[in-house]
Amino acid sequence: AQSVTQLGSHVSVSEGALVLLRCNYSSSVPPYLFWYVQYPNQGLQLLLKYTTGATLVKGINGFEAEFKKSETSFHLTKPSAHMSDAAEYFCAVSGPLSGGSYIPTFGRGTSLIVHP
Amino acid sequence: DAEITQSPRHKITETGRQVTLACHQTWNHNNMFWYRQDLGHGLRLIHYSYGVQDTNKGEVSDGYSVSRSNTEDLPLTLESAASSQTSVYFCASSEGTENTEAFFGQGTRLTVV
Repeated sequence: AQSVTQLGSHVSVSEGALVLLRCNYSSSVPPYLFWYVQYPNQGLQLLLKYTTGATLVKGINGFEAEFKKSETSFHLTKPSAHMSDAAEYFCAVSGPLSGGSYIPTFGRGTSLIVHP
Repeated sequence: DAEITQSPRHKITETGRQVTLACHQTWNHNNMFWYRQDLGHGLRLIHYSYGVQDTNKGEVSDGYSVSRSNTEDLPLTLESAASSQTSVYFCASSEGTENTEAFFGQGTRLTVV
């Protein structure tokens, strides 16, 4: 079974500082990894995804993530935080279930707080 | 544009009542899911469906049921609401292949008093 662990339920940064949100995965097969963002009172929306190919994945709003198989990690970064980045971030892994279909499994989420 | 909509957005109900939360998607996706979101637990899977007439239990399915009579809709029913089911519920859909993401509704905040 696939799973993800997000390190740190809250991360606090100053505006303009580097954002680093950590995610480690466990998967018995090549993983398909995703980062989603949830703004207050909204549903989740996709930030970026890794399937195959380039290990550095670029997403929306200046975010990127690097897939490191040796470390089983898929950390999310942004060089310079903006106040509008304050939100809940979820790492997810998609794994096959019976019947060949895929279903996402989510981490517990990391709340990003951005200080002026 | 295709979308996924949930209704109602907010619901207050009494313990023991049956409650149904609606989910409708126009993506024409075969896969649909229901999650609940609680502080400290993230998103936990309640039920999922691969297509019409197919439904499966997730990790927290006790007290919930779903039915899939068409591609667009997957209503979630709480048979006898309990205070422990106070939560925010999200419906999602996806194509179901390995490299496709899930699309989420706006959520339903359910309070059981």
